[in-house]
Amino acid sequence: GAGVSQSPSNKVTEKGKDVELRCDPISGHTALYWYRQSLGQGLEFLIYFQGNSAPDKSGLPSDRFSAERTGGSVSTLTIQRTQQEDSAVYLCASSAGTDYGYTFGSGTRLTVV
Amino acid sequence: QKEVEQDPGPLSVPEGAIVSLNCTYSNSAFQYFMWYRQYSRKGPELLMYTYSSGNKEDGRFTAQVDKSSKYISLFIRDSQPSDSATYLCAMRYQAGTALIFGKGTTLSVSS
Repeated sequence: GAGVSQSPSNKVTEKGKDVELRCDPISGHTALYWYRQSLGQGLEFLIYFQGNSAPDKSGLPSDRFSAERTGGSVSTLTIQRTQQEDSAVYLCASSAGTDYGYTFGSGTRLTVV
Repeated sequence: QKEVEQDPGPLSVPEGAIVSLNCTYSNSAFQYFMWYRQYSRKGPELLMYTYSSGNKEDGRFTAQVDKSSKYISLFIRDSQPSDSATYLCAMRYQAGTALIFGKGTTLSVSS
């Protein structure tokens, strides 16, 4: 597609439920990133995939968070046993390589009630 | 001390004003510097990308990097109401590492 696509755009879930957030990067982009944006907190790095290399998971806040990228394209971020502090906008970005800027999607707004 | 500091504002200016947005950082290893613009309920979009020190100009936008002072700036000339958005600085140590973002400065340009 023309841009980075994220789904759903909004998600309301009950505390303790699991959620899956999806990201479709720009075709041909080898790098894919997940960030979290909370009010007043800026963008917090979560995880980074580059080609077939092992992902950089150093930003994941707890073992309730995991992500995978299938076939070097679509990525899914999973949050297990959601907590209210997980409420945020989850942004996905892709880039053509390691020396390029990112193209972001519009994000998934997650609300845990 | 956070790695990247950015005044959140808000910053309000009249149309036509010159706007200066700034970030400071603590780690001298940063080499790649970017500015993103984010409209409400949208993802950030890349405005400017510079490597190491120096200036870069693109239309009404100028990015400056002063590595000796660990200070980066974005100047917007002849500001327009459509420039009203949140501006985020971002930087990284080397190619292949994730960007570290400032918290963003909210700008409002009134007509």
